[in-house]
Amino acid sequence: DTAVSQTPKYLVTQMGNDKSIKCEQNLGHDTMYWYKQDSKKFLKIMFSYNNKELIINETVPNRFSPKSPDKAHLNLHINSLELGDSAVYFCASSQTDYYEQYFGPGTRLTVT
Amino acid sequence: AQSVTQPDIHITVSEGASLELRCNYSYGATPYLFWYVQSPGQGLQLLLKYFSGDTLVQGIKGFEAEFKRSQSSFNLRKPSVHWSDAAEYFCAVAGTASKLTFGTGTRLQVTL
Repeated sequence: DTAVSQTPKYLVTQMGNDKSIKCEQNLGHDTMYWYKQDSKKFLKIMFSYNNKELIINETVPNRFSPKSPDKAHLNLHINSLELGDSAVYFCASSQTDYYEQYFGPGTRLTVT
Repeated sequence: AQSVTQPDIHITVSEGASLELRCNYSYGATPYLFWYVQSPGQGLQLLLKYFSGDTLVQGIKGFEAEFKRSQSSFNLRKPSVHWSDAAEYFCAVAGTASKLTFGTGTRLQVTL
């Protein structure tokens, strides 16, 4: 059973389009995250949700909007995609007071 | 603000040789420290973690790390490297709201 899953695994789209990435975890965790990994492999947190409440919102363009319908899901919607949005996006989850995070396989987004 | 430095961008070792990957952190309080490994095209897998207690921690795949507060370091070691260990290794520190700050990663290449 996959602990943290993401769909799709690959996403190729054109500039200006709107796209969504979905994330689901079956670990029973109450906190979920989105990270962005750029072409140089640098990982940076974008958002985190705890029990569907936004906890961390780093300096991310407001074209990025996370949504958490329940504790097990955290989706990322991106409007008006730009070339610079091309990256690998990772979802992760953890349990409150337990700092270790478990990562999904990533979604490689390519904007042309 | 918390930060992590991995001074070695790329390391090459022969199979069977020992390995040490360096990590230095900056954090005001007692740090929670992690090592993750990312194989090509894969997500991040947790190798080991340090929260408190014994400063030498054991992880999966034969890895260990030693926390040295005086040096602000958390170096990863393995006595004998296998070709399958070739991957990108990330050190991370957890801060408030479980926010993980990652280093820039060290790419390990293993020669046969």
